[in-house]
Amino acid sequence: AQSVTQPDIHITVSEGASLELRCNYSYGATPYLFWYVQSPGQGLQLLLKYFSGDTLVQGIKGFEAEFKRSQSSFNLRKPSVHWSDAAEYFCAVGANGATNKLIFGTGTLLAVQP
Amino acid sequence: NAGVTQTPKFRVLKTGQSMTLLCAQDMNHEYMYWYRQDPGMGLRLIHYSVGEGTTAKGEVPDGYNVSRLKKQNFLLGLESAAPSQTSVYFCASSSEYTEAFFGQGTRLTVV
Repeated sequence: AQSVTQPDIHITVSEGASLELRCNYSYGATPYLFWYVQSPGQGLQLLLKYFSGDTLVQGIKGFEAEFKRSQSSFNLRKPSVHWSDAAEYFCAVGANGATNKLIFGTGTLLAVQP
Repeated sequence: NAGVTQTPKFRVLKTGQSMTLLCAQDMNHEYMYWYRQDPGMGLRLIHYSVGEGTTAKGEVPDGYNVSRLKKQNFLLGLESAAPSQTSVYFCASSSEYTEAFFGQGTRLTVV
């Protein structure tokens, strides 16, 4: 069965520092991959997605992610974190090679120190 | 620009009561989903639908029923609420080869 692992439950970074959130998935073929962000009390907003093509994907709010097939990873990065980036981040994979059923990781809660 | 709308936003139930959560989308999406979100567990799929009149079980379907009588609506029912169903419920919709769009959530407390 497909699964998504986000090994970091909670991360704290200083404002202006770089950020990398890890995501590993299990799926035999090329998956559809997503990163979502959730601010407190809000729904989920899509940051970026990978379907095919260039393995470095640019998203909103200055985020990017790189698909590495050999490592089964889709890590999210940002070169300089802003206080408004404090939120919970979820990685997701389209189950069974489709987009009609998403499987989510358990999330990484990001705190930003002044 | 409504997108995905969930009603109600908050609800408190007593154990054994029933209720229905309504999800409506105005994007003409084929696929709709109900997830529950619990601390430390991420989002878990309860039920989903790949088209009008169809439903399928997700990861945690027990205690819930769903119906999709109209393409734009996806209803989640709790026949006899239990404290273990205290959670935040999210509805989402998508088309083939698009991301899922989420509603704002329903916070349900069962006492």
